[in-house]
Amino acid sequence: EDQVTQSPEALRLQEGESSSLNCSYTVSGLRGLFWYRQDPGKGPEFLFTLYSAGEEKEKERLKATLTKKESFLHITAPKPEDSATYLCAVTGGGNKLTFGTGTQLKVEL
Amino acid sequence: GAVVSQHPSRVICKSGTSVKIECRSLDFQATTMFWYRQFPKQSLMLMATSNEGSKATYEQGVEKDKFLINHASLTLSTLTVTSAHPEDSSFYICSTTRTDTQYFGPGTRLTVL
Repeated sequence: EDQVTQSPEALRLQEGESSSLNCSYTVSGLRGLFWYRQDPGKGPEFLFTLYSAGEEKEKERLKATLTKKESFLHITAPKPEDSATYLCAVTGGGNKLTFGTGTQLKVEL
Repeated sequence: GAVVSQHPSRVICKSGTSVKIECRSLDFQATTMFWYRQFPKQSLMLMATSNEGSKATYEQGVEKDKFLINHASLTLSTLTVTSAHPEDSSFYICSTTRTDTQYFGPGTRLTVL
């Protein structure tokens, strides 16, 4: 059974204070690892897809990396508008998307 | 822009009534759509996979007679919560796949009184 574990559960940063979110996974035959952002009361918003170890993707202040066991979402110089819950999910051989429980990020002025 | 839309965004109903939620793919044809449920402070749990023109596939533990799914066209899937009870109150989200990535709708908040 595919499993995804995210840490920390919650993270409070000062504006400009860079940090990383972790996503550990076990999956039989990784087809893709996905990062989403979810704001309260809204559906997840797609951020990145990573397919193989060593791959990296960047978008504004966010950078996602992937190894054979985990993925990191690096946030550089965050702003208050980056506050959200960040979800990690994987797709394995079964073609279903398995989500972690998310990291709730709060960026303060 | 948005890939998937949902309607309504919020619904409040009395216990015992049925509620229908619509999920539409925008600007492309979706042979497969997914329905998720999310409880407060929890992650998304897949309820069922909706296939255009055929029966939906339900996840273990999801009552197919209670959560009726219809995918009658390539752009529309509907989820009907029949005889809703307070424990069905949740955030329901649909998604569809486009080039190996699932894109999610804005969600529907269901409150059953």
